[in-house]
Amino acid sequence: KNEVEQSPQNLTAQEGEFITINCSYSVGISALHWLQQHPGGGIVSLFMLSSGKKKHGRLIATINIQEKHSSLHITASHPRDSAVYICAVKNSGGYQKVTFGTGTKLQVIP
Amino acid sequence: DTGVSQDPRHKITKRGQNVTFRCDPISEHNRLYWYRQTLGQGPEFLTYFQNEAQLEKSRLLSDRFSAERPKGSFSTLEIQRTEQGDSAMYLCASSVEPQGARGYTFGSGTRLTVV
Repeated sequence: KNEVEQSPQNLTAQEGEFITINCSYSVGISALHWLQQHPGGGIVSLFMLSSGKKKHGRLIATINIQEKHSSLHITASHPRDSAVYICAVKNSGGYQKVTFGTGTKLQVIP
Repeated sequence: DTGVSQDPRHKITKRGQNVTFRCDPISEHNRLYWYRQTLGQGPEFLTYFQNEAQLEKSRLLSDRFSAERPKGSFSTLEIQRTEQGDSAMYLCASSVEPQGARGYTFGSGTRLTVV
């Protein structure tokens, strides 16, 4: 079992829909990242969370430390949101290893 | 500063050859990370530096792989005697500790193809 699990693996949505991507992890963490990767490989860091909720434009990220779960929400989705969304956790402890999920491929159809 | 730069963007090499990739992080970032990503998978951690010190290496980083950050600025990742299984996207990221709201900044990656 991977330390970081994302669901769904693939998601197709109609433009305007509300989208939720989930991330569950099994290790102790000091922070959780949501990343966006476009075709061609470029990765953009969207959020870093250690508790609660963060919002940036149409993106909202939440984390529940007790349940070891995080969600990324996209409101009023748009075709330009089409990308792979990756959850990554920064392990707690004496080193700073980051473990990535395999990503959720999102396609938003006009 | 325009972000994290990686060079080259693409590299095709014959099996058995040595390759070297370069990463220039954001200048004020003291941490630099190398990751490897294969098709359909999330990035895998390879190694990271705090300034010039290499603090951790993944067991994925065999003896054929070596990374340096000699002056605490740019970093190089060298793969000796490349194998076809080394074909992947090699990603570099940097951050400043303590991290800001967004965390890491990634480069565009170097795509390695071993033929």
